Amino acid sequence: GNSVTQMEGPVTLSEEAFLTINCTYTATGYPSLFWYVQYPGEGLQLLLKATKADDKGSNKGFEATYRKETTSFHLEKGSVQVSDSAVYFCALSELTGGGNKLTFGTGTQLKVEL
Amino acid sequence: NAGVTQTPKFQVLKTGQSMTLQCAQDMNHEYMSWYRQDPGMGLRLIHYSVGAGITDQGEVPNGYNVSRSTTEDFPLRLLSAAPSQTSVYFCASRRLAGGRTDTQYFGPGTRLTVL
Repeated sequence: GNSVTQMEGPVTLSEEAFLTINCTYTATGYPSLFWYVQYPGEGLQLLLKATKADDKGSNKGFEATYRKETTSFHLEKGSVQVSDSAVYFCALSELTGGGNKLTFGTGTQLKVEL
Repeated sequence: NAGVTQTPKFQVLKTGQSMTLQCAQDMNHEYMSWYRQDPGMGLRLIHYSVGAGITDQGEVPNGYNVSRSTTEDFPLRLLSAAPSQTSVYFCASRRLAGGRTDTQYFGPGTRLTVL
């Protein structure tokens, strides 16, 4: 079946540091890939997505590139801010015989300190 | 535009009690779903619906019932709550036509504790 593996957290960085959160996936077909962000006490919000190989999703300074050869979709940001502190979820979506659903990773908590 | 709304935000139940978690969306989305979020396990799909009158099971459906009588509402029922159902529950919706590429919109969640 499909699965998503994320690096374990928490990840603690100083403000303006470079961020990488690793995500790899296993899928039988051609999934779309997503990063969702969950701020404290809130639901999940879509951060960015990529729908085919070599696509780059970007939003709010975050980027991720769909790498089919390494089955990866790592999240990066050049300079994090305290307001980026949240839990980040990598997810894939694929059409299957049982319906279309999102498969999530376990989430990576990011803490950014001054 | 309210998006996806969920009620209640917090709930404490005793083992064996029943309750319904409410979910509503005002975006005319055909696809709605329920997830539970547990520490170290990400989000897992409980049930989903592709339109009024159509529901199906997800990854962890046991202990939960759903129905979809209107496009807007998708309630989740716990018939006899168990401590294993202590979790944070999220409702989500999206357009059906967008398929696997379309964005899902999530509600703010319901934090449920079963004693």
